[in-house]
Amino acid sequence: EPEVTQTPSHQVTQMGQEVILRCVPISNHLYFYWYRQILGQKVEFLVSFYNNEISEKSEIFDDQFSVERPDGSNFTLKIRSTKLEDSAMYFCARGAPSNYGYTFGSGTRLTVV
Amino acid sequence: QKEVEQNSGPLSVPEGAIASLNCTYSDRGSQSFFWYRQYSGKSPELIMFIYSNGDKEDGRFTAQLNKASQYVSLLIRDSQPSDSATYLCASRDSNYQLIWGAGTKLIIKP
Repeated sequence: EPEVTQTPSHQVTQMGQEVILRCVPISNHLYFYWYRQILGQKVEFLVSFYNNEISEKSEIFDDQFSVERPDGSNFTLKIRSTKLEDSAMYFCARGAPSNYGYTFGSGTRLTVV
Repeated sequence: QKEVEQNSGPLSVPEGAIASLNCTYSDRGSQSFFWYRQYSGKSPELIMFIYSNGDKEDGRFTAQLNKASQYVSLLIRDSQPSDSATYLCASRDSNYQLIWGAGTKLIIKP
């Protein structure tokens, strides 16, 4: 059983629509991250989330993006008005600021048409 | 600008041979280094991490770190076709942010 599950695995949406990507960590961690990877490109950091607050965000994470942990379990990434260039794999990860790496979820492939 | 550089490949290695993957980083403040394996369309999977100079071995994998040369490598012994994937190198900076390389595509030929 994966330690971090993401839903949906694939979502197709029309440009301008809102999407919500969900992440469910099995274990009870405090640190969560969202990354994205455009096809054929590097993994890019979006945002880190600690103790139910954003701790750091990248330039990519503009006003169109938001994160929440509404029920203390699910961890969501919302894109308010999707653009074609938002098409990418989105990965949730859990971890801690130590010497250990992060565990990635299975990913959501977002296709904006 | 903090960078992690990798040769994109593809690197083709015969089955059973040693695959050698290399990575350089620009930020001398980086503290830890990670190797992830990524199969096409899948999420990155942590293979190894290293934070001390020298070698670290785990099964068929050996990570090597040389902080003076800002160089990290991953050796895969007895390469198997299932090792064919893209290998991502990442460094963690003093702000605990991961800086990612673009990855090296490894092909193990049976």
